[in-house]
Amino acid sequence: AQSVTQPDARVTVSEGASLQLRCKYSYSGTPYLFWYVQYPRQGLQLLLKYYSGDPVVQGVNGFEAEFSKSNSSFHLRKASVHWSDSAVYFCVLSPHTNTGKLTFGDGTVLTVKP
Amino acid sequence: EAAVTQSPRNKVAVTGGKVTLSCNQTNNHNNMYWYRQDTGHGLRLIHYSYGAGSTEKGDIPDGYKASRPSQENFSLILELATPSQTSVYFCASGEPGLGGYEQYFGPGTRLTVL
Repeated sequence: AQSVTQPDARVTVSEGASLQLRCKYSYSGTPYLFWYVQYPRQGLQLLLKYYSGDPVVQGVNGFEAEFSKSNSSFHLRKASVHWSDSAVYFCVLSPHTNTGKLTFGDGTVLTVKP
Repeated sequence: EAAVTQSPRNKVAVTGGKVTLSCNQTNNHNNMYWYRQDTGHGLRLIHYSYGAGSTEKGDIPDGYKASRPSQENFSLILELATPSQTSVYFCASGEPGLGGYEQYFGPGTRLTVL
């Protein structure tokens, strides 16, 4: 069975600082991987996705993530955070099946201090 | 304009009562999903559907039924609501294999069972 682990439940950074949110997955094979963001009282929005090819993928609002098969990781990064980036970030895995069933990490609450 | 909508956005129900949560999508996706989100956790899959007339059990189906009368609509039904079903419920649509494996989420329904 597959799983996703986000080891940091909460992360606090200062505005303008760089950011890395960690994600480790367990899956037999190469999965499809996503990062979603959830702003307060809203649904989830897709930040970026990895299917294959270049291990570094770009997303919206300056976010990027790097896939590592050897480390079973898919860490999210941003060079300079803004207060509006404060939200909950979910790392999500999809197997290669037509069910489309997603496996979610528990999320990381990001707080950006002004 | 919103591609996945949910109603109601907030609901207070009594223990033992029947609750129906509705979801509508204009993405023309075959697959639709119902999740619940509890504090400090990611989303957990309750039911999903491959198309009109189809419903499948997800990871936590007990106490829930689903109905997919059309391509656009997918309902979640709590026949006998219990306080443990107090949660935020999200509907999503997707087209795995053809349109990519990401899902598109509604804004959520906050359900409180007293």
